[in-house]
Amino acid sequence: DADVTQTPRNRITKTGKRIMLECSQTKGHDRMYWYRQDPGLGLRLIYYSFDVKDINKGEISDGYSVSRQAQAKFSLSLESAIPNQTALYFCATSELGLAGVETQYFGPGTRLLVL
Amino acid sequence: GQQVMQIPQYQHVQEGEDFTTYCNSSTTLSNIQWYKQRPGGHPVFLIQLVKSGEVKKQKRLTFQFGEAKKNSSLHITATQTTDVGTYFCAGLSGGYQKVTFGTGTKLQVIP
Repeated sequence: DADVTQTPRNRITKTGKRIMLECSQTKGHDRMYWYRQDPGLGLRLIYYSFDVKDINKGEISDGYSVSRQAQAKFSLSLESAIPNQTALYFCATSELGLAGVETQYFGPGTRLLVL
Repeated sequence: GQQVMQIPQYQHVQEGEDFTTYCNSSTTLSNIQWYKQRPGGHPVFLIQLVKSGEVKKQKRLTFQFGEAKKNSSLHITATQTTDVGTYFCAGLSGGYQKVTFGTGTKLQVIP
């Protein structure tokens, strides 16, 4: 969805390096998410933010940190990258509507390789 | 925490055959959503089911939500090569209504 953009789209880095993945959205949604996708494991939630002042850990937050700079921006950092963080990373946004109806809109993904 | 499992993990079918993927949650869900991810793409929302026992159809796709709101299924009739991709269910529950994605079923359609 062009309303959710991620940079970079691909990144190769070395073990121990600090990496930042950025996500921007023009949908005006309060909720933003970071997921990683690994074969056979589906989408696993790293961090999520329901508004600028609200940031929560997901199921696999160890080794990651996030920053919600504005409603439209949510960045994910790997302070010291390790090879098992090699994965496809997705940012997503959503808005909780009536009766708990919520649809997630995903960015195109960032493919990260840690050597 | 909440877990959402899908079976099978992979499925190869001949074009024209039917396909079904099943989704099971460890907890009762408020609603369930289905997403499709084409190869090389990102997940895209297909549908949401809210009511116990609900059945919805989209052309050749039939979605069901279990009576206990802990399981769901997606059935594709007469698969086509355009159906190739990974199908995810996603369950919504809890006070913050956080979405938990299933492990996904990767569908390959052989022409």
